[in-house]
Amino acid sequence: NAGVMQNPRHLVRRRGQEARLRCSPMKGHSHVYWYRQLPEEGLKFMVYLQKENIIDESGMPKERFSAEFPKEGPSILRIQQVVRGDSAAYFCASSRSGDLYEQYFGPGTRLTVT
Amino acid sequence: AQTVTQSQPEMSVQEAETVTLSCTYDTSENNYYLFWYKQPPSRQMILVIRQEAYKQQNATENRFSVNFQKAAKSFSLKISDSQLGDTAMYFCAFMKGTSGTYKYIFGTGTRLKVLA
Repeated sequence: NAGVMQNPRHLVRRRGQEARLRCSPMKGHSHVYWYRQLPEEGLKFMVYLQKENIIDESGMPKERFSAEFPKEGPSILRIQQVVRGDSAAYFCASSRSGDLYEQYFGPGTRLTVT
Repeated sequence: AQTVTQSQPEMSVQEAETVTLSCTYDTSENNYYLFWYKQPPSRQMILVIRQEAYKQQNATENRFSVNFQKAAKSFSLKISDSQLGDTAMYFCAFMKGTSGTYKYIFGTGTRLKVLA
């Protein structure tokens, strides 16, 4: 059973470009979470999605950031017009409906904005 | 709002010795879950151990055990017989037990080095 997959693992963008981060949850998992880890800090919750629905986006910046989890395909975290402060590791996690209290993490995408 | 505090930014321990990492949290909830995650240099987040607040018995996973003190809101991790592969960042995390809010709140982490 493959784990949570994220791609790309590393992404370099220039200021003003768009970044698209992808997350495929574990098989059988329909709940996806995105977290951001700034250098030398812990992970901070951004958004929680189920298929086709955003359940909790209380940790998402109000501008430039959006997330989706379509019926088919991976979850996407999209950052428009990136700035240097967006440089961080972005982790996706997934859980199954039978146990929402335990999340399995992907390897993360390290975004560098130059 | 819930907060999680890890007051030890760095710790070191000799191989085969025992080390305890501290974590305190603040919440008004009665039903919640606590976790310890390990993040090695690969940056992969690995679940070490999980504790349900309604369980009085401390969770144990092989060499890893917790000391859960609900009244004191303390959740420390004990690693016995430390191994070089235990070198990593360790994060304590809290999750409310009520439905609809399944997000982790993480502490700032403790960097553990196991010395040969």
